[in-house]
Amino acid sequence: DAMVIQNPRYQVTQFGKPVTLSCSQTLNHNVMYWYQQKSSQAPKLLFHYYDKDFNNEADTPDNFQSRRPNTSFCFLDIRSPGLGDAAMYLCATSITLGGDGYTFGSGTRLTVV
Amino acid sequence: GQQLNQSPQSMFIQEGEDVSMNCTSSSIFNTWLWYKQDPGEGPVLLIALYKAGELTSNGRLTAQFGITRKDSFLNISASIPSDVGIYFCAGSSLSGTYKYIFGTGTRLKVLA
Repeated sequence: DAMVIQNPRYQVTQFGKPVTLSCSQTLNHNVMYWYQQKSSQAPKLLFHYYDKDFNNEADTPDNFQSRRPNTSFCFLDIRSPGLGDAAMYLCATSITLGGDGYTFGSGTRLTVV
Repeated sequence: GQQLNQSPQSMFIQEGEDVSMNCTSSSIFNTWLWYKQDPGEGPVLLIALYKAGELTSNGRLTAQFGITRKDSFLNISASIPSDVGIYFCAGSSLSGTYKYIFGTGTRLKVLA
């Protein structure tokens, strides 16, 4: 089945140690998004790629970066994780910007120790 | 900025009961989406609405696009234990932005 796959499902990292989360999709969607979701809160958009064009949200900390080497893969890099970065990170895709909504992956739950 | 308020924040209901929840915006939206998120999983799209007044069903779920374009409603009929989870609305405005803004979520717990 076509889908959005996030790895790993659970990630534990040390305070200040760089960490990378990955997302892959078999939907051939043009747009890939990264959301941060803290406990009992709504998902918060960090940035998105439309093809190779990167779009950062104004309030996304510089600590968060992203890479999209090809259509299928997108990575979230956290350069120096702090305790406040512990959250569920959701990857989503869509055919075009907005459109018929997003297809989400299962998320990666990040713990910072 | 735009905000989406969902009501209620949480609810406990008995199995078999009908459930209603709503989402309101401070500005006009042209698309409304309803998602369900199970614990530890990503949100899954339930229903998409594109026109004011539109009423759309997906099994026991029915959602409506409010005629003012500032609200949307989700109803679940004859709830079952697997309906437990968090229900999020998401809206996209007429400004042409790609962004879907998510609501604060309604946490549903079904008592068998």
